[in-house]
Amino acid sequence: EIFLTQSPATLSVSPGERATLSCRASQSVSSHLAWYQQKSGQAPRLLIYGASTRAAGVPARFSGSGSGTEFTLTISGLQSEDFGVYYCQRYYDWPLTFGQGTRLEIK
Amino acid sequence: QITLEVSGPTLVKPTQNLTLTCTVSGVSISATAEGVGWIRQPPGKALEWLALIYWDDDKRYSPSLKSRLTISKNTSKNQVVLTMTNMDPVDTATYYCARRRGGFSVTTGWFDPWGQGTLVTVSS
Repeated sequence: EIFLTQSPATLSVSPGERATLSCRASQSVSSHLAWYQQKSGQAPRLLIYGASTRAAGVPARFSGSGSGTEFTLTISGLQSEDFGVYYCQRYYDWPLTFGQGTRLEIK
Repeated sequence: QITLEVSGPTLVKPTQNLTLTCTVSGVSISATAEGVGWIRQPPGKALEWLALIYWDDDKRYSPSLKSRLTISKNTSKNQVVLTMTNMDPVDTATYYCARRRGGFSVTTGWFDPWGQGTLVTVSS
């Protein structure tokens, strides 16, 4: 089974600044990685799939990069609505797995 | 607009079975390449994938829970049902269903959109 490790666990960033979130796979997952945003009390929302393709309706300030075992989600010009918990998910093979999440907080 | 709605009990006793229903609107679950998955999230913890069913009735399960899970679909009602046996307090979680995406480009997939989820508490 391929495991995902997200870092940092918590990230404090001021509005308007850039946030960089990391997701590392224990083995290569090619580009088969997705990112989700979850706000308190809500279901997750798809942001990125294929490591770098933004889902429909996702603002351009969200960008994904990486392949193989190292992936990054970058949020440029943070806005108040961007704070929450972010999860990566790999879908290279079975079973599907999620990272443990990064909490993005207001600094 | 595609929506998914989870329904089922919010409280179950230890050793009882849990049955949850996901009602899908806006797309037919029997349409080619469609799939619906179940994911859960214990309070304050991360997401855990449980099971997925495809339009052709192919089914996949989390290896750690496979012996306790059954996923099925009712195409006439456009619903997907998840049954989990022998519930334990550690199974207390919000249970989500979500539409599988990826078409034929991958055999697995990611999820979009998600239903609102339902918190299931396991307690006597």
